[in-house]
Amino acid sequence: ETGVTQSPTHLIKTRGQQVTLRCSSQSGHNTVSWYQQALGQGPQFIFQYYREEENGRGNFPPRFSGLQFPNYSSELNVNALELDDSALYLCASSPWTSGVQDTQYFGPGTRLTVL
Amino acid sequence: GEDVEQSLFLSVREGDSSVINCTYTDSSSTYLYWYKQEPGAGLQLLTYIFSNMDMKQDQRLTVLLNKKDKHLSLRIADTQTGDSAIYFCAERDAGNMLTFGGGTRLMVKP
Repeated sequence: ETGVTQSPTHLIKTRGQQVTLRCSSQSGHNTVSWYQQALGQGPQFIFQYYREEENGRGNFPPRFSGLQFPNYSSELNVNALELDDSALYLCASSPWTSGVQDTQYFGPGTRLTVL
Repeated sequence: GEDVEQSLFLSVREGDSSVINCTYTDSSSTYLYWYKQEPGAGLQLLTYIFSNMDMKQDQRLTVLLNKKDKHLSLRIADTQTGDSAIYFCAERDAGNMLTFGGGTRLMVKP
């Protein structure tokens, strides 16, 4: 069974650019959540996708957007990058069991640096 | 909004027990989790507890939950140098969103 995978591992962008991060969920998981972890802090919830629809969003501006595909993989897009967007971006997948979302399992993350 | 607080740092000697504490504010929490993060890595799920339980044991790990005081703790028995990492507690609300604490850095001295 393959765990959650993310690509790329590291990325360097300049302010104002756009970036796309990718996540493949664990086999059997149909829900993907994205988190931003700034250096020295805990992860902050960005949004969650379930069956290709956004299913909850944290306190992040609209320039953070996402997609989920029929195979449950997901993308996080960030437009107009700012220096404060530099962080580790974590993807987590989870199944729904008996109508309830189950435990989230995290990928290794993508380290984004904005110069 | 909901808030989860942890102490920043804990240092113990190898073989001792470690106790990492966490407080939360959301009374609608359904599950509470402990994750471990090693340098440059993602989050590894260690254990979790349902909000109507008060204790869960899993090998060297013991989770205690005081729902009245909204206090969660993780005890690691016989702490090893490989346990050195950052430990995050997280609470899951009714909307399935995870709110994390700021993490506790555990240093294990040989």
